[in-house]
Amino acid sequence: QQPVQSPQAVILREGEDAVINCSSSKALYSVHWYRQKHGEAPVFLMILLKGGEQKGHDKISASFNEKKQQSSLYLTASQLSYSGTYFCGTDSADGLTFGKGTHLIIQP
Amino acid sequence: DTAVSQTPKYLVTQMGNDKSIKCEQNLGHDTMYWYKQDSKKFLKIMFSYNNKELIINETVPNRFSPKSPDKAHLNLHINSLELGDSAVYFCASSQVGGQGKAFFGQGTRLTVV
Repeated sequence: QQPVQSPQAVILREGEDAVINCSSSKALYSVHWYRQKHGEAPVFLMILLKGGEQKGHDKISASFNEKKQQSSLYLTASQLSYSGTYFCGTDSADGLTFGKGTHLIIQP
Repeated sequence: DTAVSQTPKYLVTQMGNDKSIKCEQNLGHDTMYWYKQDSKKFLKIMFSYNNKELIINETVPNRFSPKSPDKAHLNLHINSLELGDSAVYFCASSQVGGQGKAFFGQGTRLTVV
């Protein structure tokens, strides 16, 4: 079963913030986040391995609540380059499975 | 050097044909995957291979069969192609157990006419 992502799509103006959520009905070993630009392959952003872990680089960060089997991706002061489809990937006994993605559009 | 390489990048074929997509990774990873991405951009996992053993197999028609001659290669064979098979297929690899990030190939856009 794939993880559930929300929202399905977000439209922002440059400089605004966004949060993308990911939840799973199964126990998770880790949570991955990827971004895919149109016509390209998904590219790794970060991985969270432990409950309570938070990570970030530049103005993109994520948290992992192991007990709730949830993760959130935070995009702060969004830039045009942040546009794309964001996927959370959850690693469980079934392997690395992705959600349906969140389409993020940043407008100038 | 490309970490995960797929060939071909584009594939146009007629219904009923049999085709293969090749995937190779030079990262020394133990796990390789095949994903199908349809027009709605949903990344659906098809197969996962760990040390040459199939560890998951989603509800994929048996017309699709993965073949792994060695740890660095996971090819996808598709028999009797149907219109609904048209999609972008991605190969990926990661360390065992998904504790490492996954690297994706460039994708193969398959069009069945």
